[in-house]
Amino acid sequence: KQEVTQIPAALSVPEGENLVLNCSFTDSAIYNLQWFRQDPGKGLTSLLLIQSSQREQTSGRLNASLDKSSGRSTLYIAASQPGDSATYLCAGSNYGGSQGNLIFGKGTKLSVKP
Amino acid sequence: NAGVTQTPKFQVLKTGQSMTLQCAQDMNHNSMYWYRQDPGMGLRLIYYSASEGTTDKGEVPNGYNVSRLNKREFSLRLESAAPSQTSVYFCASLRDRGNQPQHFGDGTRLSIL
Repeated sequence: KQEVTQIPAALSVPEGENLVLNCSFTDSAIYNLQWFRQDPGKGLTSLLLIQSSQREQTSGRLNASLDKSSGRSTLYIAASQPGDSATYLCAGSNYGGSQGNLIFGKGTKLSVKP
Repeated sequence: NAGVTQTPKFQVLKTGQSMTLQCAQDMNHNSMYWYRQDPGMGLRLIYYSASEGTTDKGEVPNGYNVSRLNKREFSLRLESAAPSQTSVYFCASLRDRGNQPQHFGDGTRLSIL
């Protein structure tokens, strides 16, 4: 059974710092891994999706990597801003399509101080 | 661009009452999902529907029923609410062709006294 872990549970950094959020998973037969952002009282917004055949994906200041052999994914945020403050969730899926039920980590709560 | 719409946004119930959480998507997605989010537990899948007329159990289905009314709508029913079902409930949908992310609604915050 796939299990997803995120460490640390909370992180506080000064504005402008580059940072890395970590996600680990137990089953290397992962189909894809997704990173989401959740703002307080809101739903989840998809940030990046990495297919099992890919090593990384980039969107603006965000870069996500996937290493199936080590069971790890990282989300790199460059030049952090107060607006990046949110909870970041990673989720793995062992199947594609409708069977691609997501297994979520518990999230990292990021606070970027002005 | 409505995306995934959930109603109601907040609800307080007494133990033993029943209610239905509604979810609708306007993206013509085939698959729809219900999750619950609890402090310290992360999101867990309750039920999902791969297409109109089909439903399957997820990780935590006990105490819930679902209906895929049509392609747009997927409802979650609590027949006899229990305090352990106090949670935030999220509906999501997926275009299950290609490697696509799930799209989430803003959630229903449910308290059971």
